[in-house]
Amino acid sequence: AQSVTQLGSHVSVSEGALVLLRCNYSSSVPPYLFWYVQYPNQGLQLLLKYTSAATLVKGINGFEAEFKKSETSFHLTKPSAHMSDAAEYFCAVSGNYGQNFVFGPGTRLSVLP
Amino acid sequence: GAGVSQSPSNKVTEKGKDVELRCDPISGHTALYWYRQSLGQGLEFLIYFQGNSAPDKSGLPSDRFSAERTGGSVSTLTIQRTQQEDSAVYLCASSQTTGGTDTQYFGPGTRLTVL
Repeated sequence: AQSVTQLGSHVSVSEGALVLLRCNYSSSVPPYLFWYVQYPNQGLQLLLKYTSAATLVKGINGFEAEFKKSETSFHLTKPSAHMSDAAEYFCAVSGNYGQNFVFGPGTRLSVLP
Repeated sequence: GAGVSQSPSNKVTEKGKDVELRCDPISGHTALYWYRQSLGQGLEFLIYFQGNSAPDKSGLPSDRFSAERTGGSVSTLTIQRTQQEDSAVYLCASSQTTGGTDTQYFGPGTRLTVL
């Protein structure tokens, strides 16, 4: 069984500051890990995913995440926040089959001018 | 190509009424998921369709909820005798195959309000 925790339901950063959104997972099988973003009044879209290739994964809009097996983490980072990054971010874990897809509770990112 | 579409975008209903929510997945996608997103909460898995196999209904919260997928394409989520706690955004997603690495593509959701 898989599970996901996201530390911090709400994170605020200043424009231009580092963005760090935390995700820790639990999985009984080698995991596949995802970050999705949900902009206000829109559906979710994929930011990036880890599928057992490179542990540092680069996604859209300058985001990246690093898979650390020893820490069971997949934290999302962006060097410099932009106002347009304000959204809800969801970490998700999957096993070998799609029906084992589990989302975390989400972290709302606010970007302050 | 077209993405996942859902209809209606908004639905307001009275307590006790039945509602049907529709999802049109991306053409050719074999897997289809329904989730519920309540205010201030994460995504709650409801049901999963994989090709022609029996669906995984393990996430349905009660027997008032049901879903079907006709012809391996369009899916309908039905909520009978709606309750106020059913108010939420219902999201549909599809993926190309049923593998764990596959990206899920989400529709814009249907916002259900039960008065």
